[in-house]
Amino acid sequence: DTGVSQDPRHKITKRGQNVTFRCDPISEHNRLYWYRQTLGQGPEFLTYFQNEAQLEKSRLLSDRFSAERPKGSFSTLEIQRTEQGDSAMYLCASSSRQGPTETQYFGPGTRLLVL
Amino acid sequence: AQSVAQPEDQVNVAEGNPLTVKCTYSVSGNPYLFWYVQYPNRGLQFLLKYITGDNLVKGSYGFEAEFNKSQTSFHLKKPSALVSDSALYFCAVRDIWEDSSYKLIFGSGTRLLVRP
Repeated sequence: DTGVSQDPRHKITKRGQNVTFRCDPISEHNRLYWYRQTLGQGPEFLTYFQNEAQLEKSRLLSDRFSAERPKGSFSTLEIQRTEQGDSAMYLCASSSRQGPTETQYFGPGTRLLVL
Repeated sequence: AQSVAQPEDQVNVAEGNPLTVKCTYSVSGNPYLFWYVQYPNRGLQFLLKYITGDNLVKGSYGFEAEFNKSQTSFHLKKPSALVSDSALYFCAVRDIWEDSSYKLIFGSGTRLLVRP
C-alpha cells in the first residue's frame, strides 16, 4: 500500500500525559498537512509543511502542540500535557507540489481519547 | 474568509434512487472545490474536484458534482444509490487568492443513509 499511513490508529491516555503521533506521507509528496476532526464536525486545519519547513500554523495549535518533519519525510505531532478537549481524530494528508489544483490524500487518522 | 456549508446533517435515500448531497461555498476569488467520503473509523477518501472547465465533474464510484457559480453551490450527485454508499460526505473549498497554504476548509459533513 502506497497511501498515507498513520501510527498509532488509536491512543488512550490520561490527562496530563504527553502523546506523539506519526504520519508517513505518500512517497515524494512534499506537502504534508495535519487536521483535527472532532465528533460531528469536519476536519480543521492545524498546520502544514513544505518539505521540512513548517510554513503555517492554525490558531487551534496551542503551545502544547508541536509538529516536526525532519528531512522532509515523515512527520510527528506531539501534544504535551493532554487535556480532555484534545480528544479527537488527528488526520494527516499529503500532496505533491502541483499548485492550487493539488489533491490532498488522507491517512486513516489517529483517534485520541484523553481520560 | 472562505467557508463551506452543508445544510443537511443527514440524507436518506432508497437504494436505486438518485441521491443529492448539497454544498454551498463562499470565497473571495475563484473556488477550488472538493468532495471527500469518510467511512466509519477511516480517513477521508477523495471523490472528485472542480478546478475549472465543465460544470459537471465526474469522480470515483459513479459520483458526480455540479458546479453552479451563480448559486455558489457544488452539489454531489449519483444517479442510482447503493447501500454501500452509506457514509459521511464532506465538501471542502480552497481559496487560492487568500491562502497560499492550499489548506482545505471543510463543511460539517452530511451523513448519507441508503436503505435497501
